[in-house]
Amino acid sequence: AQKVTQAQTEISVVEKEDVTLDCVYETRDTTYYLFWYKQPPSGELVFLIRRNSFDEQNEISGRYSWNFQKSTSSFNFTITASQVVDSAVYFCALSFLFNQAGTALIFGKGTTLSVSS
Amino acid sequence: DTEVTQTPKHLVMGMTNKKSLKCEQHMGHRAMYWYKQKAKKPPELMFVYSYEKLSINESVPSRFSPECPNSSLLNLHLHALQPEDSALYLCASSQGSSSGGARDIQYFGAGTRLSVL
Repeated sequence: AQKVTQAQTEISVVEKEDVTLDCVYETRDTTYYLFWYKQPPSGELVFLIRRNSFDEQNEISGRYSWNFQKSTSSFNFTITASQVVDSAVYFCALSFLFNQAGTALIFGKGTTLSVSS
Repeated sequence: DTEVTQTPKHLVMGMTNKKSLKCEQHMGHRAMYWYKQKAKKPPELMFVYSYEKLSINESVPSRFSPECPNSSLLNLHLHALQPEDSALYLCASSQGSSSGGARDIQYFGAGTRLSVL
């Protein structure tokens, strides 16, 4: 069975601090895809990154970086020099083919990040 | 352009009303999704349409009735809802490639905030 765990429910930081959001996943599939989404108060889920199971190269995009470690089944997300606009709920998700008929996303419970000025 | 448009943004309805939620995308995507999100919870998959055919129905009560009139439009018809159905309803779309569906990125709309009185 697929499962995504985000152990951190809420994190509060002050602007310019670095913050890491943790994500641990479970799957029996050998090929799988992991995602991070951001949900600001407006409600829209914004896609941030996709990572496949056979590419463990870490990625940096501006202030964002991701650390994928297959050995520990983790896909952590770091924001460097956080800003107030980063305040949102962040979801880690795992996708899988549902009976070869469609794709489903399994979300973690989300981490609420609050950045104060 | 990765825009998914949902209307209305807010909806208040009584338990005897019939209403519809609408979702539209013009990205040429062939898979479309409905998710339900309760406050402080992750999105939960309701329905998946693949190439305009219903491919996943996650045991959703019959008072929710999805419809996919064409590849760009997705509706969710609501009838005789209960107060516990109050939630944010999110629509998403993805490329829907038959060979690599699990890697598809799902793009979300801003959602419809539904209140059932």
